[in-house]
Amino acid sequence: KQEVTQIPAALSVPEGENLVLNCSFTDSAIYNLQWFRQDPGKGLTSLLLIQSSQREQTSGRLNASLDKSSGRSTLYIAASQPGDSATYLCAVRRSQAGTALIFGKGTTLSVSS
Amino acid sequence: KAGVTQTPRYLIKTRGQQVTLSCSPISGHRSVSWYQQTPGQGLQFLFEYFSETQRNKGNFPGRFSGRQFSNSRSEMNVSTLELGDSALYLCASSLGGQGAEAFFGQGTRLTVV
Repeated sequence: KQEVTQIPAALSVPEGENLVLNCSFTDSAIYNLQWFRQDPGKGLTSLLLIQSSQREQTSGRLNASLDKSSGRSTLYIAASQPGDSATYLCAVRRSQAGTALIFGKGTTLSVSS
Repeated sequence: KAGVTQTPRYLIKTRGQQVTLSCSPISGHRSVSWYQQTPGQGLQFLFEYFSETQRNKGNFPGRFSGRQFSNSRSEMNVSTLELGDSALYLCASSLGGQGAEAFFGQGTRLTVV
């Protein structure tokens, strides 16, 4: 059974810091991994999608890496801003036949000005 | 282009009633997945529809059902509501192929009293 764990559960940093969010999964047989952002009471916004054959993806100040063999992914946020405050979720895709995602519980990030 | 649209945004229902939620995917997307999000369990996969056929199903009781129409719009129905069904219900759309990125709507907040 695939399980996804995110550490830490919560993180508070001052504006301008670089930070790393961690995601681990128990079964390395994944097709891809996706990072999302969720603001309170809102839906999920897709940040980065990494296919199983890729090692990393970048979008602006965000960089996500994937190490399938060790069952780990990291989301690196450079020069954090108060607007980055949200819950960050990682999810792995478990099935070739569909798009069912297995989610971690998320890391709630607070960036203070 | 328009994103994933979920209606209604908020619902309050009484125990024992039934409810229907709607999801309009991104134009051209043929896959629609439904997820339940609660503070205790996080995000859990309900089911996925692709080209009007249920392709995957999560571990939820038969009170939870869905369907997809020829225009890819999807509805989710919950019968005989229980207090524990109170949650944010999220819909995701994708092209449906292997490795496809999932895009989420804003969700429907269901409160059962």
